[in-house]
Amino acid sequence: DAKTTQPPSMDCAEGRAANLPCNHSTISGNEYVYWYRQIHSQGPQYIIHGLKNNETNEMASLIITEDRKSSTLILPHATLRDTAVYYCIVRRSDNNAGNMLTFGGGTRLMVKP
Amino acid sequence: EAQVTQNPRYLITVTGKKLTVTCSQNMNHEYMSWYRQDPGLGLRQIYYSMNVEVTDKGDVPEGYKVSRKEKRNFPLILESPSPNQTSLYFCASSSRGRSYEQYFGPGTRLTVT
Repeated sequence: DAKTTQPPSMDCAEGRAANLPCNHSTISGNEYVYWYRQIHSQGPQYIIHGLKNNETNEMASLIITEDRKSSTLILPHATLRDTAVYYCIVRRSDNNAGNMLTFGGGTRLMVKP
Repeated sequence: EAQVTQNPRYLITVTGKKLTVTCSQNMNHEYMSWYRQDPGLGLRQIYYSMNVEVTDKGDVPEGYKVSRKEKRNFPLILESPSPNQTSLYFCASSSRGRSYEQYFGPGTRLTVT
């Protein structure tokens, strides 16, 4: 699975958009980008995923660059409850060995009033 | 409500005293996994199961056992716990068709003295 690089922390004002970047320059053609988040010591929660097109769901939007070497998770109107560690994960969509998700360091997003 | 449950949520025990952490899911998922989370090391997979009676080692299986006798349950067994197994443990499940979308339990915080 490709390695990802994320900033260790970010701040965002409540009500503003939070834009969380992720670099994955070694991504392969059959690998997807997945985002999870973990609110303090709770189990991680799936947010969104994509291959090459931009994606949007009720939680967030995912923008993937044309060369697929980086992506941005966008929380359009961040709330205090969005304060969490956000993980960018790259892997194939089919079951890899052990169906394992490899969580890196993630980005600690602090939403401030 | 679709969920993964774990019990107990908190446990303090002594070295060598066998313990079991239970995990149950109500989504009829084929895949289940156990992860441990330690500061600075992220989440690491311990064991996984792709179906009933099918289990295999993850990244850090030493000192743990699992079983999958029923589809909904995937207990984690520590035959002789040691202090280095003090950690936060998560159980996760996913369907075969959406294996990347893992549902995590609330976590079990284990302390071994």
